[in-house]
Amino acid sequence: DAGVIQSPRHEVTEMGQEVTLRCKPISGHDYLFWYRQTMMRGLELLIYFNNNVPIDDSGMPEDRFSAKMPNASFSTLKIQPSEPRDSAVYFCASSFGQGLKPQHFGDGTRLSIL
Amino acid sequence: DAKTTQPPSMDCAEGRAANLPCNHSTISGNEYVYWYRQIHSQGPQYIIHGLKNNETNEMASLIITEDRKSSTLILPHATLRDTAVYYCIVRVAQGGKLIFGQGTELSVKP
Repeated sequence: DAGVIQSPRHEVTEMGQEVTLRCKPISGHDYLFWYRQTMMRGLELLIYFNNNVPIDDSGMPEDRFSAKMPNASFSTLKIQPSEPRDSAVYFCASSFGQGLKPQHFGDGTRLSIL
Repeated sequence: DAKTTQPPSMDCAEGRAANLPCNHSTISGNEYVYWYRQIHSQGPQYIIHGLKNNETNEMASLIITEDRKSSTLILPHATLRDTAVYYCIVRVAQGGKLIFGQGTELSVKP
């Protein structure tokens, strides 16, 4: 079975550029989560969706970050404009329900902002 | 903030049992204990979860103390591929976020 698919796996761009990270959740999963991982702060939840609707975006660091889920099989996390401190690994995860069911993570996008 | 405390690192000999402790002294009655692990350069992977009874699956066993203030994840026969960071997380069943702490870096050595 296909797991959570993220693209690109690596992204290197210059400060000020727009960055778009993509995620395809596992088919049938109704929850989607975006996380960010850095050495300093560890793994942090940024935002999550239920049935394509954003439920909690309290972890989004600032207005430069935005996330959308136009349909059940696709989500984007956008940073505009990007800054060097946004460099991190960004993970997408999905789950079927938010009860006891585990979250399944993709392999992440390693983002470097120069 | 994470509600759990774990040792930052542990070593284990290949083929031996790895016992990873976790303290969660402020756990509430409706909170479950979850374990995930993260192998280098990969996303976190679910291992097991439990409420108050001991649990076992094909990956590991979870032992929760009677007062629920601590738990132990047991990998019965550790292999080199079990080298990873192991996260212990407490969360409510409904609507609970996964809040990751710093985890335990387990090194399995030949």
